[in-house]
Amino acid sequence: DVKVTQSSRYLVKRTGEKVFLECVQDMDHENMFWYRQDPGLGLRLIYFSYDVKMKEKGDIPEGYSVSREKKERFSLILESASTNQTSMYLCASGGTGGYQPQHFGDGTRLSIL
Amino acid sequence: KQEVTQIPAALSVPEGENLVLNCSFTDSAIYNLQWFRQDPGKGLTSLLLIQSSQREQTSGRLNASLDKSSGRSTLYIAASQPGDSATYLCAVRLGGSQGNLIFGKGTKLSVKP
Repeated sequence: DVKVTQSSRYLVKRTGEKVFLECVQDMDHENMFWYRQDPGLGLRLIYFSYDVKMKEKGDIPEGYSVSREKKERFSLILESASTNQTSMYLCASGGTGGYQPQHFGDGTRLSIL
Repeated sequence: KQEVTQIPAALSVPEGENLVLNCSFTDSAIYNLQWFRQDPGKGLTSLLLIQSSQREQTSGRLNASLDKSSGRSTLYIAASQPGDSATYLCAVRLGGSQGNLIFGKGTKLSVKP
């Protein structure tokens, strides 16, 4: 089975802190994604990566950056956390073929106080 | 811009009933469509993926259909059970994209014993 592992299920940080969310996949997928999910807004794409050291902005990249130094690992960075970044963060991975589904981790519930 | 809509937003049915969840999208130039299940506070579990050239996919009691020309997909759940209670999300992958998905806001299903 495909495994996408997010480093934390719950995280509490303070305003202004630099926050790192880590995601690891074990399927050698080229593509990895970071979404955030908010009530009433659904899932929105923050950033994605289609290869090591490559990244593309999604719909809501402001206030975030990402890092992909190894194929299996994709990190989301909140440069200076703010309360409006309190959310559920979901990491996903998938292959490039149209027949390959996207697989998600269990999510990180992040609270910024 | 691609928009994905799911109706109804919530649905409550008695156990044993067959039911249909609806998903519509505005741009028919999709690569594939994926149905997910999300339990409260958890990540997304992939249920079915339909490629753009396919009409339907089946897995156990689940059957998903795709009518690309009309911009519609349905998820049919046979003989519903209380364990089917969850939020069901559909997502489309755009043709020519790197795999990022556009999500609907989901249908919250409650199956009463």
